[in-house]
Amino acid sequence: DAKTTQPNSMESNEEEPVHLPCNHSTISGTDYIHWYRQLPSQGPEYVIHGLTSNVNNRMASLAIAEDRKSSTLILHRATLRDAAVYYCILGAGSYQLTFGKGTKLSVIP
Amino acid sequence: EAQVTQNPRYLITVTGKKLTVTCSQNMNHEYMSWYRQDPGLGLRQIYYSMNVEVTDKGDVPEGYKVSRKEKRNFPLILESPSPNQTSLYFCASRRAKGPPGELFFGEGSRLTVL
Repeated sequence: DAKTTQPNSMESNEEEPVHLPCNHSTISGTDYIHWYRQLPSQGPEYVIHGLTSNVNNRMASLAIAEDRKSSTLILHRATLRDAAVYYCILGAGSYQLTFGKGTKLSVIP
Repeated sequence: EAQVTQNPRYLITVTGKKLTVTCSQNMNHEYMSWYRQDPGLGLRQIYYSMNVEVTDKGDVPEGYKVSRKEKRNFPLILESPSPNQTSLYFCASRRAKGPPGELFFGEGSRLTVL
């Protein structure tokens, strides 16, 4: 399986934008890029996914590099509720999603 | 409300005493999966099922069994639990057809094996 590399942790101030990076240099042409997050004491929840083009939804934006070897999850305005572990995952059709250790995002009031 | 329901949420048991963790989804999803989460190791997939009567091993299937007799249910069976199966377990489901969509997770079942 193609792997992803994320920083172990990041910090952001409340109400500021957050850019969470993910490297996936061995991504295949059929791999989608998925982002999930896990709030404390909860199960993971879907954030966003994309294939080639940038994507936006009510939670976040996903910026995908032209060569698809990296991507960035953008939270436009961090709130305390956004403090979570964020997972960047590759999957062709997302049947098999292998979760790594993710990035622990801390939001400072 | 769309949801994945796991039971029990918390369980303390002893080595060797068979137990079943149930998982049920109300979204008519074909695909269901079990994960375990351990500190420092992230989420690891145990078993998954693409549809009724179709199951396959994930990354860490040893010591576990599953069955998929009905579309909505995907129980995880520990025939002879051991302390190394103490973990936080998550069930998940999604539709299997068409472009990839959201994987819905349950709230988790925390299992302690003494």
